[in-house]
Amino acid sequence: DTGVSQNPRHKITKRGQNVTFRCDPISEHNRLYWYRQTLGQGPEFLTYFQNEAQLEKSRLLSDRFSAERPKGSFSTLEIQRTEQGDSAMYLCASSSYGPAGKVLSSGANVLTFGAGSRLTVL
Amino acid sequence: QKEVEQNSGPLSVPEGAIASLNCTYSDRGSQSFFWYRQYSGKSPELIMFIYSNGDKEDGRFTAQLNKASQYVSLLIRDSQPSDSATYLCAVKGNFNKFYFGSGTKLNVKP
Repeated sequence: DTGVSQNPRHKITKRGQNVTFRCDPISEHNRLYWYRQTLGQGPEFLTYFQNEAQLEKSRLLSDRFSAERPKGSFSTLEIQRTEQGDSAMYLCASSSYGPAGKVLSSGANVLTFGAGSRLTVL
Repeated sequence: QKEVEQNSGPLSVPEGAIASLNCTYSDRGSQSFFWYRQYSGKSPELIMFIYSNGDKEDGRFTAQLNKASQYVSLLIRDSQPSDSATYLCAVKGNFNKFYFGSGTKLNVKP
């Protein structure tokens, strides 16, 4: 397993188009997170899954954003009718479940990030 | 109020000096605390985590946690130019959500 994989790495699109990003987490990790990061800011939480269940979604996420994780494996993040303000780096991270407050060598309760998918909306 | 606050910097230190990075958080119920390093154009990579009050050392890095003051810090000893990056403080809060600060940019001058 080579870590968290994200595709595509770069996407340039015109305003109004739909885009989809894919994330393949570390295979034994049951939690998957999506974050958005703009220049000079830290990663901003979008949503997260435990297995196939989407357990939390940011209030900042408009209805144009949707995420899925069928079968609890890879996940997709779709942005419909893109706007210039959607231009950002979209980061996927995964972790495994562990005792609350504990970080284990298996990566439990620690986020491991993919390389990110950079979106530019023209 | 943001969940995690960091001074954006830049923090400039000479090579070989100690760099001190600080972070405060708002949720007293937070259980785990993390420092990530992010090079320009790259994704964050974990440096250290801490969840007990006190100090935790790993090589040239020391994380310090004071839950009463809601304060986390990272010390980098013998700073190297390769340490120049943005350092992100992250806090794991309720419902397994991780909150990140906006990061402190560190410049280590040769």
